[in-house]
Amino acid sequence: ETGVTQTPRHLVMGMTNKKSLKCEQHLGHNAMYWYKQSAKKPLELMFVYNFKEQTENNSVPSRFSPECPNSSHLFLHLHTLQPEDSALYLCASRGDQGNSPLHFGNGTRLTVT
Amino acid sequence: KNEVEQSPQNLTAQEGEFITINCSYSVGISALHWLQQHPGGGIVSLFMLSSGKKKHGRLIATINIQEKHSSLHITASHPRDSAVYICAVQTSGSRLTFGEGTQLTVNP
Repeated sequence: ETGVTQTPRHLVMGMTNKKSLKCEQHLGHNAMYWYKQSAKKPLELMFVYNFKEQTENNSVPSRFSPECPNSSHLFLHLHTLQPEDSALYLCASRGDQGNSPLHFGNGTRLTVT
Repeated sequence: KNEVEQSPQNLTAQEGEFITINCSYSVGISALHWLQQHPGGGIVSLFMLSSGKKKHGRLIATINIQEKHSSLHITASHPRDSAVYICAVQTSGSRLTFGEGTQLTVNP
């Protein structure tokens, strides 16, 4: 148990669907991250939020829309996805100190059909 | 060429063997992370280090800043150590760049 909870664990959606991924942490962390992990590729940073403000968008297509209503919750809204967006989406959080490790959730396995 | 290179990509060992996974990087870093990912997908942070050596149980991580190289060692390996081990370097601010991971399988 890492303290970061992601739901759902698995999601299958069509290209015209709209769905949302949810991430929740009660570790008191103010930084939250979305990462994408495709098969045989390193983790790719998608978005960073610090104190609810988006501080980084790593050239992510607009069909992925993040939302951070408070420091404990992070969402990733999905619409009109492509099959190549199928991947494991991981949420992480981190404390404010420079030597704080990342805490990852278990990820959402997304399949776009 | 990735900024972070891990070797080997795949490693199979017998229970009890001493294991070493290597990570080389090409950029200036403020810290290096070793992570463990189990088949279910969840990732656990094992170590965060910026110099020297750290030990936790049967796991040891070392880093040589001058040579831009880190190693993760597992002593007395066990089947439950089977996982993907990921090296990540921390550069500007809190940005992490990840290696592709090393798939470790420990057979009983």
